[in-house]
Amino acid sequence: KAGVTQTPRYLIKTRGQQVTLSCSPISGHRSVSWYQQTPGQGLQFLFEYFSETQRNKGNFPGRFSGRQFSNSRSEMNVSTLELGDSALYLCASSLEPTDGYTFGSGTRLTVV
Amino acid sequence: GNSVTQMEGPVTLSEEAFLTINCTYTATGYPSLFWYVQYPGEGLQLLLKATKADDKGSNKGFEATYRKETTSFHLEKGSVQVSDSAVYFCAPQEGFQKLVFGTGTRLLVSP
Repeated sequence: KAGVTQTPRYLIKTRGQQVTLSCSPISGHRSVSWYQQTPGQGLQFLFEYFSETQRNKGNFPGRFSGRQFSNSRSEMNVSTLELGDSALYLCASSLEPTDGYTFGSGTRLTVV
Repeated sequence: GNSVTQMEGPVTLSEEAFLTINCTYTATGYPSLFWYVQYPGEGLQLLLKATKADDKGSNKGFEATYRKETTSFHLEKGSVQVSDSAVYFCAPQEGFQKLVFGTGTRLLVSP
């Protein structure tokens, strides 16, 4: 079966712009989580959605937002980009918490 | 909230050597425990898991045992290969709470 698909794979944006990243989970998975990965901070949790509702949220500023659609696809948006937002953004989906998460290959965002 | 402590890397080994990567965690409840692996340029892959005390997770020759009394979930492999070179992450998860990742341990295996 298809894995978690993230688009685009690479993005280059300018400071102050906004960006939208997309994630298609594994079919049947209703839980979708987003993580930011940087060399300095490691893997940091952004938010998790389940059946279109945000169930958990990490400690990120309000510039970071997300949503989930009725087909479980999810998007995250970052507004007013800063240089420090340059990172690999990973999406993961799960059927049940004890199953573990399946991760996508990520979107590498570079802010210049 | 939960937290994880992993051994510092890089861990450098020769092919066929024995591997141990230590992981200890703190949790308010009774988490499920996971090891994930990240190969260069890729996302994370679930390597193995354990959901209750004394459970042993295993996959691809890797093993880890859920030790509730020592709050540990150490990763082991009897004979590593060059293809095992990657970054390994330990992560507890309680119920529907977020995965909490350790800092990751880079493993380098030389021929």
